[in-house]
Amino acid sequence: GAVVSQHPSRVICKSGTSVKIECRSLDFQATTMFWYRQFPKQSLMLMATSNEGSKATYEQGVEKDKFLINHASLTLSTLTVTSAHPEDSSFYICSASTATSYEQFFGPGTRLTVL
Amino acid sequence: GNSVTQMEGPVTLSEEAFLTINCTYTATGYPSLFWYVQYPGEGLQLLLKATKADDKGSNKGFEATYRKETTSFHLEKGSVQVSDSAVYFCALSGDNFNKFYFGSGTKLNVKP
Repeated sequence: GAVVSQHPSRVICKSGTSVKIECRSLDFQATTMFWYRQFPKQSLMLMATSNEGSKATYEQGVEKDKFLINHASLTLSTLTVTSAHPEDSSFYICSASTATSYEQFFGPGTRLTVL
Repeated sequence: GNSVTQMEGPVTLSEEAFLTINCTYTATGYPSLFWYVQYPGEGLQLLLKATKADDKGSNKGFEATYRKETTSFHLEKGSVQVSDSAVYFCALSGDNFNKFYFGSGTKLNVKP
C-alpha cells in the first residue's frame, strides 16, 4: 500500500513552454501533498505544500506564479512549470501524506530538462 | 527551529564492512525520525523510522536508534552489500507532521 506515482518520469521541453507534472496517490487518499526539487548531488528542497481543495503554501523564495500547484482531488496534485527556462531543469519529487499519518510517501520523481 | 545534519560523503566501503552514517538533529517538540534511501534516478524510499525516544527502527539489516539525550539517529548496518550503494537521507518531521526536514544526504559506495 501507500504507492505514489508521478507522470511523466522524464520530460524534455523547449525554453518558454510550460510543463505539467502529475502526482497521484494510488491506493490512499492524500490530504496533503508536497513538491520537492532536487539538484544534482544535493538534498531535497521543499517547494510547496498543498492541501486538497485549498491553495498551496509556498516556501520562501519559490515563485508561485512560475510553479503552479493544483490539488483538486484527494488523489491528484499537479505541478506546472510555466515558461520554463534551462535553470528550471531539475529532478522534481512529490510526496503525499494522510490526515492521520506522520509519514510521507514519495513518488519516483520526474526529470525535467529544459533546452 | 528544526534541522538535520548528517555526515558528508561519499562513504566508500568494501563488501561486508560495518556501516555507520551519523545523523544529528535539532527540533522543537517531539519529532519523528526517518532514514530514506535513494537509488540512482529514483525517488526516495523509506528505509526505517522511529517515532519516540529510545525506539529502534530496523529494516533490511539497517538499524537506527532514536537517542534524545544526544539528539542523534545514526544509521548502522553490520555487513554492507554492493546493492546497498545509494544515497541515504536522514529526516525529521515536526509535531504537526506537516513538514519534513532533510539532511544533505550521504552517498554510500560499496565495492566488491
